[in-house]
Amino acid sequence: AQSVTQLGSHVSVSEGALVLLRCNYSSSVPPYLFWYVQYPNQGLQLLLKYTTGATLVKGINGFEAEFKKSETSFHLTKPSAHMSDAAEYFCAVSSGQGGKLIFGQGTELSVKP
Amino acid sequence: DTEVTQTPKHLVMGMTNKKSLKCEQHMGHRAMYWYKQKAKKPPELMFVYSYEKLSINESVPSRFSPECPNSSLLNLHLHALQPEDSALYLCASSQEQGDGNEKLFFGSGTQLSVL
Repeated sequence: AQSVTQLGSHVSVSEGALVLLRCNYSSSVPPYLFWYVQYPNQGLQLLLKYTTGATLVKGINGFEAEFKKSETSFHLTKPSAHMSDAAEYFCAVSSGQGGKLIFGQGTELSVKP
Repeated sequence: DTEVTQTPKHLVMGMTNKKSLKCEQHMGHRAMYWYKQKAKKPPELMFVYSYEKLSINESVPSRFSPECPNSSLLNLHLHALQPEDSALYLCASSQEQGDGNEKLFFGSGTQLSVL
């Protein structure tokens, strides 16, 4: 069965610092992996996804993630944090059934001025 | 238009009430979803509709009744809910219900409180 584990329920960085949010997955088949962001009182918005092909995936708002099969990881990074990046971030893996995503527990990102 | 619109944004209901949540999209998507999100938790899938037909029901209690009257609309009818059903209910859509790599577009949700 597919699952994801997000390391760290809360991450705090200074504005301009590197953002690194960690996600490890478990999947019996080649996975489809996603990062979604949820701003306060909002729904989720797709940042990026990995299906096949290039292992470095670029997303919106300057975020990118690297699929590492050997480490079963899909960590999310951004070189320079902005105050507007403060939000909840969810890593997710597809269950294999269309539209059924298995989400990690989420990581709350805080950005200090 | 890349929006999924949910109404109402907030709903308070008693355990004997009947209410409905509504979701609308005009992106031509043929798959629509209901997710439930408890506070400080990830979303959990409830139902999937594909081409207006129920495709996935994640063993949701019958007090939740989904309906997809046409390709743009998705409803969730609520009856005799329990306080533990209080949560954010998120609607989403995608072009099709594919093999799992589809991009989901989420609405802002309905925050439901059951008293």
